[in-house]
Amino acid sequence: GPKVLQIPSHQIIDMGQMVTLNCDPVSNHLYFYWYKQILGQQMEFLVNFYNGKVMEKSKLFKDQFSVERPDGSYFTLKIQPTALEDSAVYFCASSLAGGRGDTQYFGPGTRLLVL
Amino acid sequence: AQSVTQPDARVTVSEGASLQLRCKYSSSVTPYLFWYVQYPRQGLQLLLKYYSGDPVVQGVNGFEAEFSKSNSSFHLRKASVHWSDSAVYFCAVSLSYGGSGNKLIFGTGTLLSVKP
Repeated sequence: GPKVLQIPSHQIIDMGQMVTLNCDPVSNHLYFYWYKQILGQQMEFLVNFYNGKVMEKSKLFKDQFSVERPDGSYFTLKIQPTALEDSAVYFCASSLAGGRGDTQYFGPGTRLLVL
Repeated sequence: AQSVTQPDARVTVSEGASLQLRCKYSSSVTPYLFWYVQYPRQGLQLLLKYYSGDPVVQGVNGFEAEFSKSNSSFHLRKASVHWSDSAVYFCAVSLSYGGSGNKLIFGTGTLLSVKP
């Protein structure tokens, strides 16, 4: 099936530094998402993105977070500065359309550890 | 508010046995419901989804799920499991804000271990 790639698979970073998580979505998809999963907890929605804009974000999407997809390249999640509580697995997803029934395709996740 | 509960954190079954993974949802509107599977070091893969029609929906690899409005449940089943079915299974409900893209509300997942 369609593949979403995420780079890197693991990232260790010191608290206060900046980190950028990269997502290569399915090529013809138009909607992009980030989810966060803290170890042992459920995956939670962070943000969705369409047509160059954030459409909706959750309370977990702090001011230190930003997303963009410049010129149809990677869809990125940037955290600046990082905090200890940002340690989690971050999953990217994409979908062709934005309706409730439209399937989101997920990447394998980036495991972020903030020290 | 919409929510999803998977009451079983871990299920162990023998190869060839039948399987049921439980999912309960809470939704103020008719929900779109999904089951995803996550194999080690891979992304979530869609097994099946349901919105309306026949309450038993067929998915990939012999999986099916049954929707029950009265019980607010969407349990996943398989008649005979294989060792390769060992993975984490997530139930999810979709919430959409008219044209702004949808978001998935996930359960905590059930780790399925299939014994040879």
